Amino acid sequence: EVVLTQSPATLSLSPGERATLSCRASQSVSSYLGWYQQKPGQAPRLLIYDASNRATGIPARFSGSGSGTDFTLTISSLEPEDFAVYFCQHRSNWPITFGQGTRLEIK
Amino acid sequence: QVHLQESGPGLVKPSQTLSLTCTVSGGSISSGGYYWSWIRQHPGKGLEWIGYMHYSGTTYYNPSLKSRVAISLDTSKNQFSLKLSSVTAADTAVYYCARVGVGEPSFFFDYWGQGTLVTVSS
Repeated sequence: EVVLTQSPATLSLSPGERATLSCRASQSVSSYLGWYQQKPGQAPRLLIYDASNRATGIPARFSGSGSGTDFTLTISSLEPEDFAVYFCQHRSNWPITFGQGTRLEIK
Repeated sequence: QVHLQESGPGLVKPSQTLSLTCTVSGGSISSGGYYWSWIRQHPGKGLEWIGYMHYSGTTYYNPSLKSRVAISLDTSKNQFSLKLSSVTAADTAVYYCARVGVGEPSFFFDYWGQGTLVTVSS
């Protein structure tokens, strides 16, 4: 089973700042990694798939990069609605697994 | 626009079977392009993939739950279901149904239900 480790656990930033979130895989997942955003009381929303592809309707301030075992989600300039929990997920093999999440909070 | 909605009991007794249904609107579960999935989230925790099923019958389950899980499709009602047997308090979670595409975004969850909290308690 691929273990995904996200860091930091919590990130405190202000609107307008740049956010960089990390996801590290316990073995190579090639580029088969995605990112989700989850707000309180809501289901997760797909942001990025296959490392760097934005899902439908996702703003351009969200970008993903990486391959193999190290991946990054970047939010170029934080908007108030971006403060949420972010999860990574791989689809390299079964079982599909998720990271434990990074909480992005307002500083 | 595809919409998914979970339904089922919010309280299940230990050792019993948890049963949930997901009703899909805005798209057919008989479409060959998708798998229909269940994911759960323990309170305040991360996400755990339970399994998914294609209308052809192909099914994948998380090995950690495989012995207790069954997912089925009812194409006549455009619904799919989850059964989890021999539940314990550790199965208390919010359960989500979701869609996974075969095409892009391949095997990522692009549509989700709102989630339903299931508590296991006597």
